[in-house]
Amino acid sequence: EADIYQTPRYLVIGTGKKITLECSQTMGHDKMYWYQQDPGMELHLIHYSYGVNSTEKGDLSSESTVSRIRTEHFPLTLESARPSHTSQYLCASSEFQGGSYNEQFFGPGTRLTVL
Amino acid sequence: GDSVTQMEGPVTLSEEAFLTINCTYTATGYPSLFWYVQYPGEGLQLLLKATKADDKGSNKGFEATYRKETTSFHLEKGSVQVSDSAVYFCALSAANQAGTALIFGKGTTLSVSS
Repeated sequence: EADIYQTPRYLVIGTGKKITLECSQTMGHDKMYWYQQDPGMELHLIHYSYGVNSTEKGDLSSESTVSRIRTEHFPLTLESARPSHTSQYLCASSEFQGGSYNEQFFGPGTRLTVL
Repeated sequence: GDSVTQMEGPVTLSEEAFLTINCTYTATGYPSLFWYVQYPGEGLQLLLKATKADDKGSNKGFEATYRKETTSFHLEKGSVQVSDSAVYFCALSAANQAGTALIFGKGTTLSVSS
């Protein structure tokens, strides 16, 4: 079954640690996204990618970085985690159809807590 | 620029009550419109969509009609259940846009009690 996966689901880590949030999709979608979701539930786009070796920053500035070496894999890295990075991180993917990117498919999210 | 405005929550209802969550949009061109639902501890799931004016999207008893004249896409359900408690997001996808693709509203939290 085609799907989108995120690991870990929950992560509690100390300040200053380097972390990588994993995201993989089996649908062959070329476009992938990372969103940060604040406690009020609003979604903020922080990164997206059109395909392999393509990465772009989103609407919300973020200290995280991303890479896209394989179509199916879009990891997000924080070099030095801080308490302000505590949030829910959602990964999504979509397919180019009919002249636009249409619906997005979301992973289950990673709940990150930085102490 | 394009934007989505949806009613602020939380919305609190008793089981079997009628639900309306308002959503209006601003967009150039002819966007596709979506409702997503997020259950506690999970990611977003597509609930329904409509790609052109007067289309009605429906799923799991929820409905929304694409109204170009009022630039609206209100979500309705005739009889809510406790299991419908979740956060609901309205979103649009601008036609022929190769940028961020989906623009989301801020979400509306629905709480249904038995």
